[in-house]
Amino acid sequence: RKEVEQDPGPFNVPEGATVAFNCTYSNSASQSFFWYRQDCRKEPKLLMSVYSSGNEDGRFTAQLNRASQYISLLIRDSKLSDSATYLCVVTSYNQGGKLIFGQGTELSVKP
Amino acid sequence: ETGVTQSPTHLIKTRGQQVTLRCSSQSGHNTVSWYQQALGQGPQFIFQYYREEENGRGNFPPRFSGLQFPNYSSELNVNALELDDSALYLCASSLRSRDESRQYFGPGTRLTVT
Repeated sequence: RKEVEQDPGPFNVPEGATVAFNCTYSNSASQSFFWYRQDCRKEPKLLMSVYSSGNEDGRFTAQLNRASQYISLLIRDSKLSDSATYLCVVTSYNQGGKLIFGQGTELSVKP
Repeated sequence: ETGVTQSPTHLIKTRGQQVTLRCSSQSGHNTVSWYQQALGQGPQFIFQYYREEENGRGNFPPRFSGLQFPNYSSELNVNALELDDSALYLCASSLRSRDESRQYFGPGTRLTVT
């Protein structure tokens, strides 16, 4: 079983749609959680950290359920520029801070 | 944007050859991590260097080796290249502390092994 698993993609949605990505992780000792965005053939860029209380950044909302070892990302009012691959990332301090990535979910927002 | 640079941008090598990839950290960062990203996959952790010493290694064979220099820049060396080594190689710098686990990625080196 992979340490971090994400919804398979691609997700094809119209502009303005709301889209949700899900992610599960297997290591209960995981301490930090992130969503990264990766554009085609570019490096991953931090989109947002994920906190237990849930957090929001504009149109993006991230939630963490430690009991279920589940992370989610909600994008409201999708824009064409949201088209990218979204990577769920987990890390734990006892693993030296290495980032463990899911395989990514591709999002394509169409006009 | 992140202040992390990598060279070269692209590289084509032949199976069996050796390659060295380079990374310059963001100013003030003392930790460098290297990742391999195959097409259609998420990045996979290769190893991390902290203050010039290896500080954790992923599931990669010994022919993947690295160095970190006093100025915190880093090299990734791969010997006896195989076709499956074709990937995007990413380095990420960070400031190691208990509360800081954010890593900032460079643009990557795209390696093609033929």
